[in-house]
Amino acid sequence: EAGVVQSPRYKIIEKKQPVAFWCNPISGHNTLYWYRQNLGQGPELLIRYENEEAVDDSQLPKDRFSAERLKGVDSTLKIQPAELGDSAVYLCASSPYDGEQFFGPGTRLTVL
Amino acid sequence: AQSVTQLGSHVSVSEGALVLLRCNYSSSVPPYLFWYVQYPNQGLQLLLKYTTGATLVKGINGFEAEFKKSETSFHLTKPSAHMSDAAEYFCAVSPRYSGYALNFGKGTSLLVTP
Repeated sequence: EAGVVQSPRYKIIEKKQPVAFWCNPISGHNTLYWYRQNLGQGPELLIRYENEEAVDDSQLPKDRFSAERLKGVDSTLKIQPAELGDSAVYLCASSPYDGEQFFGPGTRLTVL
Repeated sequence: AQSVTQLGSHVSVSEGALVLLRCNYSSSVPPYLFWYVQYPNQGLQLLLKYTTGATLVKGINGFEAEFKKSETSFHLTKPSAHMSDAAEYFCAVSPRYSGYALNFGKGTSLLVTP
């Protein structure tokens, strides 16, 4: 069974530029999560989807971050414009209705 | 609110020695507790989980953890460290087994020396 797929794996951009991350969850998993992991820290939730509905986006900086999950499958997380402090690893995870979370390999973002 | 505290950001053990990684939790509801491992440039992999029932939980790669409600702890142990155990370990708590975000600790980096 394929795991959670994320792309790109690495991204380097200059500040004020836009950037987008893509996640393809495990087939059949209705819940999708985006976490941000700063260097030396544990992951922190940005947004959680139940199917196509964002049910928890309280930690998403909405002035510059946006996310969508079209048709309740793939998801895209966008930052515009990026700031130096956005440098981190962005992790996508998915889970079935009554199961554990599976994590993708993450996208490492470096903002110069 | 729920949170976890991992004592020791870095732990070093000799190959073959006991591994003990500490995690204490804070929760106003019965917690679901997890340990994840992260190898360099990889995502997180679930080692083990406590939901309900038996308080001693066995996981993959020879790891186990014991839920102690009186001590609000969920320490991770392995009797004999292997070089391949070197990684970052995260303790996490959630109010439910599934469908909720995990609240992670800051992680403990395990170094295994020959």
